Amino acid sequence: ETGVTQSPTHLIKTRGQQVTLRCSSQSGHNTVSWYQQALGQGPQFIFQYYREEENGRGNFPPRFSGLQFPNYSSELNVNALELDDSALYLCASSLAYTGGPMNTEAFFGQGTRLTVV
Amino acid sequence: LAKTTQPISMDSYEGQEVNITCSHNNIATNDYITWYQQFPSQGPRFIIQGYKTKVTNEVASLFIPADRKSSTLSLPRVSLSDTAVYYCLVGDEGGSYIPTFGRGTSLIVHP
Repeated sequence: ETGVTQSPTHLIKTRGQQVTLRCSSQSGHNTVSWYQQALGQGPQFIFQYYREEENGRGNFPPRFSGLQFPNYSSELNVNALELDDSALYLCASSLAYTGGPMNTEAFFGQGTRLTVV
Repeated sequence: LAKTTQPISMDSYEGQEVNITCSHNNIATNDYITWYQQFPSQGPRFIIQGYKTKVTNEVASLFIPADRKSSTLSLPRVSLSDTAVYYCLVGDEGGSYIPTFGRGTSLIVHP
């Protein structure tokens, strides 16, 4: 168990709808990253939040948005769902340090399996 | 430009030692090398991390040559439960660690 929990575990949505996925970070962690993993592929970085602000973003359109709350829990929102958005969505929490080399271990949740029909 | 390059797949047998090599020719001075394991429909799980030379924990060893342009994950005496995808990652630039995954190496352990 990593201490990172995601909800829901499975979800089915219709094309064009909106979805919100949730992540509860490991206690004490101030950074959360979201990933999309299509079948047979490695996880693709969507974005990262550090202390409630976006700290980096991958090659995903603006309809993918996120929030990080003061308790460091997080949400991933996807608008105007497309069939290709069907994937496993992973949340990872870590503790970021300012300055110096980064040697942070990221703890992943079990993921949310989103199916768009 | 891919940060890391790994074999797509490997096969082994129970009880054997498995070595998975990863190339990261453009590794930055401050980057660490991290390996993750992932089972189907689960999130990746941290295995081991290192900066240079050799690191060993209860699960695996990580060998990093002096030039740090590659690394080798060594799994001693694998079992069927080690069948998984193994990812090699290097730290991102800019002072913030954003784990960036490639396609990983699919390891199948046979009886």
